[in-house]
Amino acid sequence: RKEVEQDPGPFNVPEGATVAFNCTYSNSASQSFFWYRQDCRKEPKLLMSVYSSGNEDGRFTAQLNRASQYISLLIRDSKLSDSATYLCLGTGFQKLVFGTGTRLLVSP
Amino acid sequence: DAGVTQSPTHLIKTRGQQVTLRCSPKSGHDTVSWYQQALGQGPQFIFQYYEEEERQRGNFPDRFSGHQFPNYSSELNVNALLLGDSALYLCASSLRGHEQYFGPGTRLTVT
Repeated sequence: RKEVEQDPGPFNVPEGATVAFNCTYSNSASQSFFWYRQDCRKEPKLLMSVYSSGNEDGRFTAQLNRASQYISLLIRDSKLSDSATYLCLGTGFQKLVFGTGTRLLVSP
Repeated sequence: DAGVTQSPTHLIKTRGQQVTLRCSPKSGHDTVSWYQQALGQGPQFIFQYYEEEERQRGNFPDRFSGHQFPNYSSELNVNALLLGDSALYLCASSLRGHEQYFGPGTRLTVT
């Protein structure tokens, strides 16, 4: 089983939709989690850190569920510019582990 | 405030050769991590340097080695290049391993 797993998608949604991605992890000793956004042939860009209490940044909400060992990212009111690959990163496995990424396509 | 920079941008090498990639961290950051990203995959963690020492390492062979300098910049060296080493190599910097910020990457092609 992979240490960090994501559904590769693609998730096809219309503009204005709400979409949610999950990322599951296997190591309960994991410490910190982050969501990144990566556009085609570009570097990953930090979207937000994920806190146990949940955190929100504009249209984006991240949550961590340690009991079920997953993190989630919710995007409200999707924009065309949200089309990208979303990567989760977990730390504390004695290394840093990215998921394979979930591709989001927002259409007009 | 300059972000993370990497050089070179692109590189073509022949199988069996050696390559050195360079990274300068974001101002104020002291930790550098290196990743390999193949097409369609998430970045794979190679190793992380802090205080000029390798602190964490992923599942990469000893052909992959690195160094961190007193000014926090870092190098990634790969010996005996294989065709499978062709990938985008990403450097990320952080303050003591917290939120990481990535450079634009070096695209390595091994022929």
